[in-house]
Order: sequence, then structure tokens, then C-alpha cells
Amino acid sequence: QKEVEQNSGPLSVPEGAIASLNCTYSDRGSQSFFWYRQYSGKSPELIMSIYSNGDKEDGRFTAQLNKASQYVSLLIRDSQPSDSATYLCAVSSGTYKYIFGTGTRLKVLA
Amino acid sequence: EPEVTQTPSHQVTQMGQEVILRCVPISNHLYFYWYRQILGQKVEFLVSFYNNEISEKSEIFDDQFSVERPDGSNFTLKIRSTKLEDSAMYFCASKELGTDTQYFGPGTRLTVL
Repeated sequence: QKEVEQNSGPLSVPEGAIASLNCTYSDRGSQSFFWYRQYSGKSPELIMSIYSNGDKEDGRFTAQLNKASQYVSLLIRDSQPSDSATYLCAVSSGTYKYIFGTGTRLKVLA
Repeated sequence: EPEVTQTPSHQVTQMGQEVILRCVPISNHLYFYWYRQILGQKVEFLVSFYNNEISEKSEIFDDQFSVERPDGSNFTLKIRSTKLEDSAMYFCASKELGTDTQYFGPGTRLTVL
């Protein structure tokens, strides 16, 4: 069974701090990795995708991938109260199936 | 900006009844997906659809479920005989050929009584 694991949280950080979210996956054949944000009662919204080892930055967000360790992370710099949401890690080994983790609930305290 | 739409936003049905959830993917997208999310749980893959056929399905997607693209714009999920445990939010998603980015619709909340 292919799994994606995340700490459910909540992860609480003060406003302006760096939030660090982590994800591990079991399928070594995974090729594509995604971070989604989901507000309560809403649909997932793509934040970033990453495909190769290393870091990828987009504004306040940095995704990190380590395929040898089967590990993906998301850093959110200068966290804002509006960043409070559940962050979902998703993994795909092809085009047709995406596996989501349970999500980490982030609370940014004003 | 183009978006995926879903109707209805909320569907209430009696156990054993059939329901059809409707989705209109983004117009130039060729890959379509259904997911479900039981309240408080993770987003679960149900099925993917490409070139007018199912590409992959999960163990959740049993004979009670079916998908169809009845015309050039709609993509439907049918549950033949709903069970209490089918109560969940159902999300449709679509993506373009050659990309990995899925766009999600707002979801249909299905409540089975």
C-alpha cells in the first residue's frame, strides 16, 4: 500500500516565524510531489510542485525534496495568520493517480 | 481565470438511492479525477479518466461507482446505491496534457441519511 505520512499537528508558530512542514512517502517510484493548502470546508489549492532533489522557492514558500530519504518538506517564511490552514502533501508516480497525506494543520498566532 | 465547477454544492439523499455528482472540468483539460474526503480525514483518490476511459481506480471505487463523460464538457460520478459511509465531500479535478498540476473544483458535500 503506497502511503504518504504527515504529522497531523496542529503546528503552532508565531506570526513572522518560519513554519516547517514535513512529509514522507513509501513509493520509491514516485516522481512528482506537491503541496496543497486546504482551508476548512474548501477544496485543496496547489501551492507548489517539485520534481527533482533540492530546493525550489516561490515567494515565501520553499519546497525541499530528498528522494533518497523519501522526504518532502515545505517551509513558509514570514508566516501570516492567513496561512493558517491544513497543508496537504501529495505524491504521484505517474499521471493517473495522486496519493495525499492526512495533512498538517498549521496555526499562525497573531 | 478558468475553473472547475461542480454541482450541486450539497446533496442530501436517502440510503439506497442513486446520486449523480456533476463536474465541468476546465475546457482544454484532458485528464479528470474524482476524490473524496470524509470529514476530518484525508483526500482519497477514487478514479482517473482519460481518453474516454478509466485510467486507474482505487479499491474504494467498487461496482457501486461509475464515471461518465456524457458530452464534451461534463464529467459525472454516479453512486448507484448510497450507503451511510458514502457521506463525504467529493472533489472533481482536471489537468492539462503534459502537466502535473491538478485543478480542484469546490466540491459536492454528499450527506446520506
